[in-house]
Amino acid sequence: KAGVTQTPRYLIKTRGQQVTLSCSPISGHRSVSWYQQTPGQGLQFLFEYFSETQRNKGNFPGRFSGRQFSNSRSEMNVSTLELGDSALYLCASRVGPDGYTFGSGTRLTVV
Amino acid sequence: QKEVEQNSGPLSVPEGAIASLNCTYSDRGSQSFFWYRQYSGKSPELIMFIYSNGDKEDGRFTAQLNKASQYVSLLIRDSQPSDSATYLCAVTHGEMGALIFGKGTTLSVSS
Repeated sequence: KAGVTQTPRYLIKTRGQQVTLSCSPISGHRSVSWYQQTPGQGLQFLFEYFSETQRNKGNFPGRFSGRQFSNSRSEMNVSTLELGDSALYLCASRVGPDGYTFGSGTRLTVV
Repeated sequence: QKEVEQNSGPLSVPEGAIASLNCTYSDRGSQSFFWYRQYSGKSPELIMFIYSNGDKEDGRFTAQLNKASQYVSLLIRDSQPSDSATYLCAVTHGEMGALIFGKGTTLSVSS
């Protein structure tokens, strides 16, 4: 059974640019959530999608957005990148309340 | 503000000893509790989840929950050097809520 797949694994962008990250959940999982992990703030919740609808949103600026497609794949977009957006972005999927399975993450570096 | 607190460590134990990791949470509405393990440079991996007061055992791992004290812990018996990692406590508010993480406790098991 394939796990959660995130692409790309690594990304380097310049301040002011935008970036799109992709996440394919485990087959049959309809809930996808995104997290940002930094050394200072730890793992912070960005948003969660279920059946193409955003169900929860964390405390991040509007530059962070996401969407989910009918096949449950999800993308997140960060516009007008700032140096502080450098982080590991993790996607997780689940089928029920018994825990989330994380992907390997996308390491974003903003220079 | 929903918060999850963990001692950052490092917690150092000798091989074969019991490692005890603790976590407190502020939101009394929290319903689901998770322990994740994260090796350096890797994504979080679910170890255990617990919903009800008391103990839940899985192999060398035991999760303990005390909702009255808003406290959840993870015991690792017969600790091995391969258990050396950062352990993340996470809670959800409601059955299908977002994961709120603590900043993790670093465990070091010496051989």
